[in-house]
Amino acid sequence: DVKVTQSSRYLVKRTGEKVFLECVQDMDHENMFWYRQDPGLGLRLIYFSYDVKMKEKGDIPEGYSVSREKKERFSLILESASTNQTSMYLCASTPSGNLNEKLFFGSGTQLSVL
Amino acid sequence: AQSVTQLGSHVSVSEGALVLLRCNYSSSVPPYLFWYVQYPNQGLQLLLKYTSAATLVKGINDFEAEFKKSETSFHLTKPSAHMSDAAEYFCAVSGTTGFQKLVFGTGTRLLVSP
Repeated sequence: DVKVTQSSRYLVKRTGEKVFLECVQDMDHENMFWYRQDPGLGLRLIYFSYDVKMKEKGDIPEGYSVSREKKERFSLILESASTNQTSMYLCASTPSGNLNEKLFFGSGTQLSVL
Repeated sequence: AQSVTQLGSHVSVSEGALVLLRCNYSSSVPPYLFWYVQYPNQGLQLLLKYTSAATLVKGINDFEAEFKKSETSFHLTKPSAHMSDAAEYFCAVSGTTGFQKLVFGTGTRLLVSP
């Protein structure tokens, strides 16, 4: 079965720190996504990537950047963490760009910025 | 742009009762529609999807949903709730052209009492 692994389940950081959230998938999927999940707001797309070194902004990219140096790994970077970035972060992947493909999700990283 | 609205942030049912979770979509053309479920401390899993074939879609764990174009709805139902169905449920919509970007609703938490 496809596995999407997020490196940390819980993370606590200080305001202003640079934060890296790592995501690895083991099924050679082309597309990878980063979402944040907040109560009452559902999931909102931050960034996605459809190929190595390719990235596209989602709906809420401000304050974030991403890196995809290898196909299996997609990193989300908070250049200078702020308290309003406290959230659950979910990584997902799909095999291709087919619009009816399901997303495979990691179990999430709960980030707290103090 | 597509969007979905989930009515009710919380729905409570008794074990054995009918489950009905509501989702209405907004799209200029018939979209693809999805229901995902998130169990505690897990990522999201696909329950079922509508991709313009049959309007009544059956998913895992006896869930089903019916696409009704006239009502722009894609409500999720299950005849008899189990305690294990307690989770958060997300409706999502995707366009049928261009790169896949899922837009999620705000989620409905299903509570099941004995």
